[in-house]
Amino acid sequence: DVKVTQSSRYLVKRTGEKVFLECVQDMDHENMFWYRQDPGLGLRLIYFSYDVKMKEKGDIPEGYSVSREKKERFSLILESASTNQTSMYLCASSRDRALFFGPGTRLTVL
Amino acid sequence: AQSVTQLGSHVSVSEGALVLLRCNYSSSVPPYLFWYVQYPNQGLQLLLKYTTGATLVKGINGFEAEFKKSETSFHLTKPSAHMSDAAEYFCAVPFTGRRALTFGSGTRLQVQP
Repeated sequence: DVKVTQSSRYLVKRTGEKVFLECVQDMDHENMFWYRQDPGLGLRLIYFSYDVKMKEKGDIPEGYSVSREKKERFSLILESASTNQTSMYLCASSRDRALFFGPGTRLTVL
Repeated sequence: AQSVTQLGSHVSVSEGALVLLRCNYSSSVPPYLFWYVQYPNQGLQLLLKYTTGATLVKGINGFEAEFKKSETSFHLTKPSAHMSDAAEYFCAVPFTGRRALTFGSGTRLQVQP
């Protein structure tokens, strides 16, 4: 069965902190994605990775970076968290263009 | 610009009534189209997937979607709503030149008893 896990369901951080969101998939998928979800805006793509150490910017990459050192793990990094990064963060991997999502991390930046 | 439009951010139906959630996309015929469902405090779950050739696609939980090329639409329907259908529904399209899916802004379905 397809499984994508995210390290935290809820996270509270302070402005200026460096934040790491971890995502792991057990399906041997090459492509992995980070989206953020905000009310009324749907899902917006932050970054994606199509292979180990390979990444491409999505639609809203500013203030974020990513790391993919192993095929199964894709990390999203907020270099210096700001209040406007308070959001739900969703990780996904894909097969045949279909996305399989993790449960999400609800991040609050105070 | 490539976009996915879901008409109606909120839809309310009575239990047992027809569910119709609308999705339109702005491009030539994509090879795939998707509907996802998100229950409260959960990630998105694949509801159904359209692939080139079929016009009516059946998904999980009694949902189906009809692809209409002339209208660039991919509306989601269910003949009889159940309370457990209350959730947010997203239409998604893989536009040419993009590896990732582009999502609509979502429609929250409320089912009244």
